[in-house]
Amino acid sequence: KQEVTQIPAALSVPEGENLVLNCSFTDSAIYNLQWFRQDPGKGLTSLLLIQSSQREQTSGRLNASLDKSSGRSTLYIAASQPGDSATYLCAGHSGGGADGLTFGKGTHLIIQP
Amino acid sequence: NAGVTQTPKFRILKIGQSMTLQCAQDMNHNYMYWYRQDPGMGLKLIYYSVGAGITDKGEVPNGYNVSRSTTEDFPLRLELAAPSQTSVYFCASSPGTVIAAFFGQGTRLTVV
Repeated sequence: KQEVTQIPAALSVPEGENLVLNCSFTDSAIYNLQWFRQDPGKGLTSLLLIQSSQREQTSGRLNASLDKSSGRSTLYIAASQPGDSATYLCAGHSGGGADGLTFGKGTHLIIQP
Repeated sequence: NAGVTQTPKFRILKIGQSMTLQCAQDMNHNYMYWYRQDPGMGLKLIYYSVGAGITDKGEVPNGYNVSRSTTEDFPLRLELAAPSQTSVYFCASSPGTVIAAFFGQGTRLTVV
């Protein structure tokens, strides 16, 4: 059974800093890994999807990497802004079936102005 | 383009009552999912569907039922609501198992 862990649970940094959020998973037979952003009281917004055959994906100031052998993914945020404040969730899809994503508990990120 | 629409956004139920959470998507996705999110926790899968007429249990299906009569709609039924079902419920859809999932805005349910 896939388990997903996110470290740290919370992070507060000054505006402008580059930062890394970590995600680890137990089942290396992962089909894809997805990073989401969740704002308070809102749904989830997909940020980046990395297929198992890929090593990384980039979108604007965001870069996500996937290392199946070590069971790790990282989300790198460059030049952080107060608008980046949110909870970031990573989720893995393993087994090849249709049985949904396994989520971590998230990292609550605060960017101080 | 509405994406995934959930209704209602908020609901308070008394113990033992029943209700249906509605979910509709307009993207013609075959795969649909129901998750619940408890405070400080990740999302857990309740039920999923790979197409009209086909549903299957996820990690936490007890106390819930689903149906999928059309591609667009995937309602979640709570029978005999219990305080343990207090949570935020998210519906999601995807065109495939290895394609990004789209989520609704959630339904915040409180059982008292």
